[in-house]
Amino acid sequence: AQSVTQPDIHITVSEGASLELRCNYSYGATPYLFWYVQSPGQGLQLLLKYFSGDTLVQGIKGFEAEFKRSQSSFNLRKPSVHWSDAAEYFCAVGANNAGNMLTFGGGTRLMVKP
Amino acid sequence: NAGVTQTPKFQVLKTGQSMTLQCAQDMNHEYMSWYRQDPGMGLRLIHYSVGAGITDQGEVPNGYNVSRSTTEDFPLRLLSAAPSQTSVYFCASSYSHGKETQYFGPGTRLLVL
Repeated sequence: AQSVTQPDIHITVSEGASLELRCNYSYGATPYLFWYVQSPGQGLQLLLKYFSGDTLVQGIKGFEAEFKRSQSSFNLRKPSVHWSDAAEYFCAVGANNAGNMLTFGGGTRLMVKP
Repeated sequence: NAGVTQTPKFQVLKTGQSMTLQCAQDMNHEYMSWYRQDPGMGLRLIHYSVGAGITDQGEVPNGYNVSRSTTEDFPLRLLSAAPSQTSVYFCASSYSHGKETQYFGPGTRLLVL
């Protein structure tokens, strides 16, 4: 069975600083990997996804993520954080079967200091 | 397109009561899912459907029932609410499985007393 670990429950960064959110996954085959963002009181919005090919993927709002098979990681990065990036971020792995099951990590809550 | 819609936005139940959480999508997606979100646990899959008339269990199905009579609608029924079912419930839909993007509704916040 697949699993996802987000080691950092809370992260606080200053506005303008760089950001890296960690994600480690466990899956037997080539994974489908996703990052979603959830603003307070809202549903989830897809930031980016990885299926194959180039291991560095670009997403919306200036985010990018790098797939590292050897480390089973899919870390999310942003070079310069804006106050509006404060939200909860979820990493997820998708199964390549008829169930379309997404397994989510526990989430990382990002706070941005002015 | 309205996307994925959920009703109600907020509900309070007493232990033992039943209710149905509604979910609808207007994107002609075959796949629909229900997740519950609890602090520190991310989202966990309750039930899912790969098309009208076909449903299956996810990770945490106990206490919940679903049916899929149309492509558009995927209601989630709580048969006899328990305090452990206090959570935020999200419905999602997608064209297919695996690598397809799932589109989430705004959620239903449920409190069971």
